[in-house]
Amino acid sequence: ILNVEQSPQSLHVQEGDSTNFTCSFPSSNFYALHWYRWETAKSPEALFVMTLNGDEKKKGRISATLNTKEGYSYLYIKGSQPEDSATYLCAFEDYNNNDMRFGAGTRLTVKP
Amino acid sequence: DTGVSQDPRHKITKRGQNVTFRCDPISEHNRLYWYRQTLGQGPEFLTYFQNEAQLEKSRLLSDRFSAERPKGSFSTLEIQRTEQGDSAMYLCASRPDQGYNTEAFFGQGTRLTVV
Repeated sequence: ILNVEQSPQSLHVQEGDSTNFTCSFPSSNFYALHWYRWETAKSPEALFVMTLNGDEKKKGRISATLNTKEGYSYLYIKGSQPEDSATYLCAFEDYNNNDMRFGAGTRLTVKP
Repeated sequence: DTGVSQDPRHKITKRGQNVTFRCDPISEHNRLYWYRQTLGQGPEFLTYFQNEAQLEKSRLLSDRFSAERPKGSFSTLEIQRTEQGDSAMYLCASRPDQGYNTEAFFGQGTRLTVV
């Protein structure tokens, strides 16, 4: 059984704060790690797909790092804005199966 | 709109009834996934198709659940003899078959309420 864990479960920050979340996943049979943003009443939207140990990706104020040997990824948001409020999901792809297993997500609320 | 389309968006059914949901993936996306999401949880994997072949099915899926993708294009998910515990958001996602670093595109989901 694959376990993908995310922490914290929820986070409330003030506008302008920087924040980060953690995704832990099995370190064996790693294939890829995905980050998605899911806003209320919308579809989950891909942020990053990461495949290489040590990989760092950036999209605007959001960036992510990957450590496949120890099985974790961090997502960083610099200078949070109210429009960043959403649930951030990570998903692990297993080498043998190529399906995607999601964590429970981190619900971010950014207060103006 | 060339995104992933799911129908219906909402479904209310009585316990014991059968329901069927449809997913139209992005054209030419070979891979298609079904997930179930309940309040406070992340999407829970149900099943995965590559073209018309169902390559994986979650052990959590009871025999009341079945999915098809007959021509490798749209897919249907059927739940027979629905139970209140089946109430959830059912999400469909598709991906191109171009290697391992491709993102998935999700539909807006079908929200099922079993009363």
